[in-house]
Amino acid sequence: QKEVEQDPGPLSVPEGAIVSLNCTYSNSAFQYFMWYRQYSRKGPELLMYTYSSGNKEDGRFTAQVDKSSKYISLFIRDSQPSDSATYLCAMTGIQGAQKLVFGQGTRLTINP
Amino acid sequence: DAGVTQSPTHLIKTRGQQVTLRCSPKSGHDTVSWYQQALGQGPQFIFQYYEEEERQRGNFPDRFSGHQFPNYSSELNVNALLLGDSALYLCASSWGGPGELFFGEGSRLTVL
Repeated sequence: QKEVEQDPGPLSVPEGAIVSLNCTYSNSAFQYFMWYRQYSRKGPELLMYTYSSGNKEDGRFTAQVDKSSKYISLFIRDSQPSDSATYLCAMTGIQGAQKLVFGQGTRLTINP
Repeated sequence: DAGVTQSPTHLIKTRGQQVTLRCSPKSGHDTVSWYQQALGQGPQFIFQYYEEEERQRGNFPDRFSGHQFPNYSSELNVNALLLGDSALYLCASSWGGPGELFFGEGSRLTVL
């Protein structure tokens, strides 16, 4: 079993829809949770960074962490075609070590 | 402010050859990590360098080695290349604390 599970999709939604992306994990030591966006043939770009459980909002993006369920989510409101990309969840457990464990990534397409 | 820069962007090698990939971290960052991303997969942690020493290592064979220079730049070396080494190699930099990792665009290696 992988430490981090993420549905690879692909996921296709119409412009303006609310998108929900999710990851589950098995290692209870994970404390720092991140979402990266990766466009085709580019490096990952950090979208959201959260510590422990709770919600964090940044513009159209909301990240949620439920450590009791070992489940994290990313919500995208008012989705735009420019949001079409692969979304990677990542997490780490040791402060400062930053050995990130990534999910497989979910390929998202927003249709105009 | 330049972000993380990597070179070369693309390269083709044959089995058994050796390759060196280079990375310059974001200004102000002192820690460099290397990741391997196979097609359709999330990045896998190779190793991390801090103060010119390997601080952590992932599950990669000794054919993968690295170096960090006094100016914080880094190299990744892979010996005796295998077909399975074909991937996008990503460099990420950070300031060493429990903060954010910033990725470069990657070096795409094809082994024939």
